[in-house]
Amino acid sequence: GDSVTQMEGPVTLSEEAFLTINCTYTATGYPSLFWYVQYPGEGLQLLLKATKADDKGSNKGFEATYRKETTSFHLEKGSVQVSDSAVYFCALSDRGSGTYKYIFGTGTRLKVLA
Amino acid sequence: NAGVTQTPKFRILKIGQSMTLQCTQDMNHNYMYWYRQDPGMGLKLIYYSVGAGITDKGEVPNGYNVSRSTTEDFPLRLELAAPSQTSVYFCASSRLVPSSFDEQFFGPGTRLTVL
Repeated sequence: GDSVTQMEGPVTLSEEAFLTINCTYTATGYPSLFWYVQYPGEGLQLLLKATKADDKGSNKGFEATYRKETTSFHLEKGSVQVSDSAVYFCALSDRGSGTYKYIFGTGTRLKVLA
Repeated sequence: NAGVTQTPKFRILKIGQSMTLQCTQDMNHNYMYWYRQDPGMGLKLIYYSVGAGITDKGEVPNGYNVSRSTTEDFPLRLELAAPSQTSVYFCASSRLVPSSFDEQFFGPGTRLTVL
């Protein structure tokens, strides 16, 4: 079945460091891919998305490219800030299934130190 | 817009007690969802609804019930609470069909502890 695998956290970085959070997926159909972010005490909110192979989603300095050949959707940011400290979730929605299928990874906690 | 609101924020239940988690959205979304998030785990879908009067089971529906009498409200009922239901519960909604590329909007969550 469909699944999403994320790197385990926590990830601790200094301010202005480069960030990569790995995400790989398996899907039977033609999934769309998402990154959600959860700030402390809040619900998840969409950070970026990509709907087909080679698409690049970007928002707030974060980027992720939909790589069908490696079934990956890694999240990157060139220079993190303390305010980026949060939990990041990779997710997929499988359009080919015809039924509900929206699968979340386990989340990766990021802590950025000043 | 308030978006998706959930009440209560926190609750402690004793084993065997019942409660209802409230969820309301003001975006006129047809699709609504209940998830639970256990420590170190991803979100698991409990129930979802594609419109008023229509609900369906998700991945982990046992021990829960839902209803959808209006577009705005999607309460989750826990009957006979068990320690295994200790979790954080999130309600979400979306505009388009669940299998599309549409964004889901989440409430802030309810942290439930069953002792």
